[in-house]
Amino acid sequence: DAKTTQPPSMDCAEGRAANLPCNHSTISGNEYVYWYRQIHSQGPQYIIHGLKNNETNEMASLIITEDRKSSTLILPHATLRDTAVYYCIVRVKGTYKYIFGTGTRLKVLA
Amino acid sequence: EAGVAQSPRYKIIEKRQSVAFWCNPISGHATLYWYQQILGQGPKLLIQFQNNGVVDDSQLPKDRFSAERLKGVDSTLKIQPAKLEDSAVYLCASSPLGTQYFGPGTRLLVL
Repeated sequence: DAKTTQPPSMDCAEGRAANLPCNHSTISGNEYVYWYRQIHSQGPQYIIHGLKNNETNEMASLIITEDRKSSTLILPHATLRDTAVYYCIVRVKGTYKYIFGTGTRLKVLA
Repeated sequence: EAGVAQSPRYKIIEKRQSVAFWCNPISGHATLYWYQQILGQGPKLLIQFQNNGVVDDSQLPKDRFSAERLKGVDSTLKIQPAKLEDSAVYLCASSPLGTQYFGPGTRLLVL
């Protein structure tokens, strides 16, 4: 079973920040949180990952709560091309196995 | 750097036929994954290789699915015989350690 919980869908206005939440209350101390997105008819694309500190790259920012039980992926200025399904996943402890849930379907509106 | 390559991109077969998918991972990536993604669902792990050894195949329907990774590089996934419920996108991913990089997938339709 997926170890993360995400809302099934969200809308965001073009040019605004998109904030995608994820709950991972059973995460262990040394497990990373990974975010991927999947645009229609393509394979999932890596976005960002983090352990306990906030992370930022050219695509997004990742905010992880102090207790590590939840995180938020932030797309600072959403564009129409950011319309996709976003997956938050945690590695199964002691392995390099990842269990995908159903993700959040983000729709960016013009 | 070249990405993960998969072929074919699309395949249509009739039930009870056989089909094979091919994956070429990113050079140097020791770990290779095959996922099945049914429409509307997230990817489901079928099998994980570390070099040419199987690490996890607990979700692989072994009565009809098989996979191999010869010489720790390319991999093939085979279905024999196919069933209607095997219609899905089959994704291959590779990883040096941790972050996975996915190929474009093979879309299979079983009629």
